[in-house]
Amino acid sequence: NAGVTQTPKFRILKIGQSMTLQCTQDMNHNYMYWYRQDPGMGLKLIYYSVGAGITDKGEVPNGYNVSRSTTEDFPLRLELAAPSQTSVYFCASRFTGGSNTGELFFGEGSRLTVL
Amino acid sequence: DAKTTQPTSMDCAEGRAANLPCNHSTISGNEYVYWYRQIHSQGPQYIIHGLKNNETNEMASLIITEDRKSSTLILPHATLRDTAVYYCIVRVSLVGQKVTFGIGTKLQVIP
Repeated sequence: NAGVTQTPKFRILKIGQSMTLQCTQDMNHNYMYWYRQDPGMGLKLIYYSVGAGITDKGEVPNGYNVSRSTTEDFPLRLELAAPSQTSVYFCASRFTGGSNTGELFFGEGSRLTVL
Repeated sequence: DAKTTQPTSMDCAEGRAANLPCNHSTISGNEYVYWYRQIHSQGPQYIIHGLKNNETNEMASLIITEDRKSSTLILPHATLRDTAVYYCIVRVSLVGQKVTFGIGTKLQVIP
């Protein structure tokens, strides 16, 4: 299993541009999450999904959109990029069935700079 | 989910036990304590979790007080590779949907 895969790993955007951060997992996890982490800070939850077709806002959803059309994929869309969105973005997933521990599995992160 | 309080930073000598405290005084009866760590801007990694009883695995031990209002993560023999930010979070294990993180404790293992 590849686990949680994020692309791209690095990206520089100009103010006002849009882009999509891709996240895919091959563990058949039902829950998926997007976090952002600013330098020296903890993780802030942007959006999460409890299954295909179901998404909900986290702590800092403004300026972002998500969709969950399949179990495997959970892309994060940035519309009209702003310097305040410069951050490291982490995607995570977990499985909530049976006697599972419910632990989160994280991707390696996508480092985004908006200039 | 209950809020947690952790010290901002701690130091530990290499080879000694690292004891990382976490306060969760508002924890509910069905909420678990989870610990993760983040090494140098990598994605956080699960360490251990528990409900009431103390837990041990190959990475660490988790000691939860009898009233469940606080817990301690123990790394028995800290190495330089244990230098990381450690996050304590509290949530309902399988049912809880939102998973939020605080700032965590920056553990520096000193040679």
